[in-house]
Amino acid sequence: KAGVTQTPRYLIKTRGQQVTLSCSPISGHRSVSWYQQTPGQGLQFLFEYFSETQRNKGNFPGRFSGRQFSNSRSEMNVSTLELGDSALYLCASSLGSGGTDTQYFGPGTRLTVL
Amino acid sequence: AQSVTQPDIHITVSEGASLELRCNYSYGATPYLFWYVQSPGQGLQLLLKYFSGDTLVQGIKGFEAEFKRSQSSFNLRKPSVHWSDAAEYFCAVGDSGTASKLTFGTGTRLQVTL
Repeated sequence: KAGVTQTPRYLIKTRGQQVTLSCSPISGHRSVSWYQQTPGQGLQFLFEYFSETQRNKGNFPGRFSGRQFSNSRSEMNVSTLELGDSALYLCASSLGSGGTDTQYFGPGTRLTVL
Repeated sequence: AQSVTQPDIHITVSEGASLELRCNYSYGATPYLFWYVQSPGQGLQLLLKYFSGDTLVQGIKGFEAEFKRSQSSFNLRKPSVHWSDAAEYFCAVGDSGTASKLTFGTGTRLQVTL
């Protein structure tokens, strides 16, 4: 079974631009979560989507948004990019049944903001 | 809110030596606990998880972890380290009795000397 895929793997943007990252979950998984990883703040939860609805949200500004499509694929968008948004963005998928569900991570998208 | 502490930022061990990585958590009820490993430039790979039951859990690649409620710890161990184990290791706890919305520790970087 194919794992979680994320595209693109690398992105370079300039301040003020916006960016969209994509995540395809493992087949059969209905939940997709996004995390931001930076050297200073470590791994932080952004949000979780299940059945096209945001189910959980972390403590990030409204510039960070996401959505999920009917095939469970998810996108996250960051508007008005700031230098501090440079990070590895990780997507994780799970069955979405809650409880003892386990998250499986993709390879990440490395975003550099200049 | 839950939290995870990994007291050791960097550990160096010789190949063939035993390994123990420390993890302490703060959570009111029985936590859902995880260990993930990240190689440079890669995503996170699940090593093992604890939800309930036997407090000694076995994972992939010869790793095991022991849940100790009295010490709020979930330390990762391996009896004999291989050079390929060099990576960064993250302990995580799920939110509100679920395996979603993970809170991660700051990670421990493992270096293996030959």
